[in-house]
Amino acid sequence: RKEVEQDPGPFNVPEGATVAFNCTYSNSASQSFFWYRQDCRKEPKLLMSVYSSGNEDGRFTAQLNRASQYISLLIRDSKLSDSATYLCVVNPLYNTDKLIFGTGTRLQVFP
Amino acid sequence: EPEVTQTPSHQVTQMGQEVILRCVPISNHLYFYWYRQILGQKVEFLVSFYNNEISEKSEIFDDQFSVERPDGSNFTLKIRSTKLEDSAMYFCAINDMEEAFFGQGTRLTVV
Repeated sequence: RKEVEQDPGPFNVPEGATVAFNCTYSNSASQSFFWYRQDCRKEPKLLMSVYSSGNEDGRFTAQLNRASQYISLLIRDSKLSDSATYLCVVNPLYNTDKLIFGTGTRLQVFP
Repeated sequence: EPEVTQTPSHQVTQMGQEVILRCVPISNHLYFYWYRQILGQKVEFLVSFYNNEISEKSEIFDDQFSVERPDGSNFTLKIRSTKLEDSAMYFCAINDMEEAFFGQGTRLTVV
């Protein structure tokens, strides 16, 4: 089983749509969880950290389900500028700060 | 958001040559990381560096790779004898408040 698994997509959605991405992780001891955004041939940029209680930042909502080892990202009212690859990222253990990346889910928002 | 600057943005080198990739964080940080991303693949951890020492490294980070902080500001990744499969984007990152921020990357092309 992959350490961090995501549906690669692409997800093609119209402007204004709501879209959800899921991610599963294999290590139940994982400590920290993040969503990053990556534009083509650019660096990953932190979108949001994911907390156990769930968190929201504007149109973006992230949730964590530790029991199912599952993380989600919901984007409401999609904009053309949301088109990118969304990376699920996990810090797998308490005594390490390396990050494990998923392969990413590609989102394409069309007019 | 902390800034990390990498140079060069693109490096083309012949197989067997040595390359040095540079990273300069704008503000003072103690933790540095190198990640790489082969075209079309996921971002992979290479090495973490704390207090002028390697704190963790991956299987990818073999004897051909080395890191150092020669002058207290620059953080470098050296590949001693490049192989074709070293062609990738190399990202430097810093950790700030348990969140990782990436430089814009160096695209290394080995020919």
